[in-house]
This record gives sequence, structure tokens and C-alpha cells, in this order.
Amino acid sequence: DVKVTQSSRYLVKRTGEKVFLECVQDMDHENMFWYRQDPGLGLRLIYFSYDVKMKEKGDIPEGYSVSREKKERFSLILESASTNQTSMYLCASSLSGTVLSLAKNIQYFGAGTRLSVL
Amino acid sequence: AQTVTQSQPEMSVQEAETVTLSCTYDTSESDYYLFWYKQPPSRQMILVIRQEAYKQQNATENRFSVNFQKAAKSFSLKISDSQLGDAAMYFCAYRTYAGGTSYGKLTFGQGTILTVHP
Repeated sequence: DVKVTQSSRYLVKRTGEKVFLECVQDMDHENMFWYRQDPGLGLRLIYFSYDVKMKEKGDIPEGYSVSREKKERFSLILESASTNQTSMYLCASSLSGTVLSLAKNIQYFGAGTRLSVL
Repeated sequence: AQTVTQSQPEMSVQEAETVTLSCTYDTSESDYYLFWYKQPPSRQMILVIRQEAYKQQNATENRFSVNFQKAAKSFSLKISDSQLGDAAMYFCAYRTYAGGTSYGKLTFGQGTILTVHP
């Protein structure tokens, strides 16, 4: 089974701190994603990466950056945490390749990190 | 840009009964994929069912089936013989068919919380 592991289930940080959220997948997936989940808004894409050192902005990248130095690891960075970044953060991964293979369309998710910024 | 709308923030059902969760989407594309994901209290997102837009036949996975109405841009999820373990947040998601440039990004709806009463 695919496993996507997020390093922390719960995290409490102070305003202005630099925060690192880590995600590791064990299935050699090319694509990795960071989403933010808020009540009434569903999941919104922050950043994604389609290869090592490659990244693209999602729908809400402001205030965030990412790092992918190794294929299995994708980090989300809050340069200076603010209270409006209090949220649930979900990491996901998927295979790349032709979309004709439905298996390559499935995203596998981690269990999420609930971040509180005080 | 595509949008996905789940108009039912909450739904409830009696155990063993049937419930239908609604999802509508807006797109100008003719080929795409649609998904229903389940997020139980453990927060681990699980793929429930998926549908290719070019297929007219509605997808079915055991007790879960969809009613895909392409012209109406509607993609509802029917859960038959509901079980206590079906209680979760359910998300509808859209994926563009243009895999080469989209890298499998998903656009999610707001989510529907399903409560199952014994």
C-alpha cells in the first residue's frame, strides 16, 4: 500500500515563527501536493511538485514556500507564520505519466497536520 | 478555471438506508475525471469512487455508485445500505484530462459531512 506520512499530527506555533511541515511518500511517486483544508472551503492547493527541485504554485501560494530536494520528501514552509495560517494541512502524492491510466490519476493522502498559530 | 460545488454542508441517514450526496461542477473541458473522496475522523482521505467523463456508464464500487450527468455537470454519490463506518466528510473532486500540464491537480468541493444514525 502507498504510504504518505506527515511528520506531525498537531503543531502549535507562535506568530512570526518559521514553520516546516514535512511529508514523505514511499511509492516513488513523481507528483507531490500540499493542500490546505478549511471548513466550508474544502481543500485548496498551495503548491505542487512534479519532480525533484521542480515546483509550481497552486491556488493559494501566498505566505508559503516549498522544497523538494529528494523525490520522496516534500516540505511546506511558512516563512513567518500568521494567525490566518491556522488550518489543517494535507500532503498528497501521485504517479505521473499518461492520464489514460486511471491508476495514475489517484492521489494518496497523508493524515494531515493541524497547525495552530497563536 | 474549474469549480466544484457541494451544496449540502451536512447530511444524515439511518443505518441500512440510502443517501445521495450532491456535487455539481463547472468546466469548459469535454474530457476530465471526477472523484469522490472520504475523510473519516482519522483524517485519512480515502478514494471512494472515480468516473471518466468519456464513459457514459456510471461507476459502481460495492455499495457506492454515482449518477453522472455530463450535460448537467452533475456528479452525485449514492450510498446504499449505509453503515456506521460510512460516517465521514465526503469531498467531490475534479481533475482535468490534460495530464501533461496539469500534473494531476485536483479541484475539490467544500465537502459534505455525513452522519449515520443507528
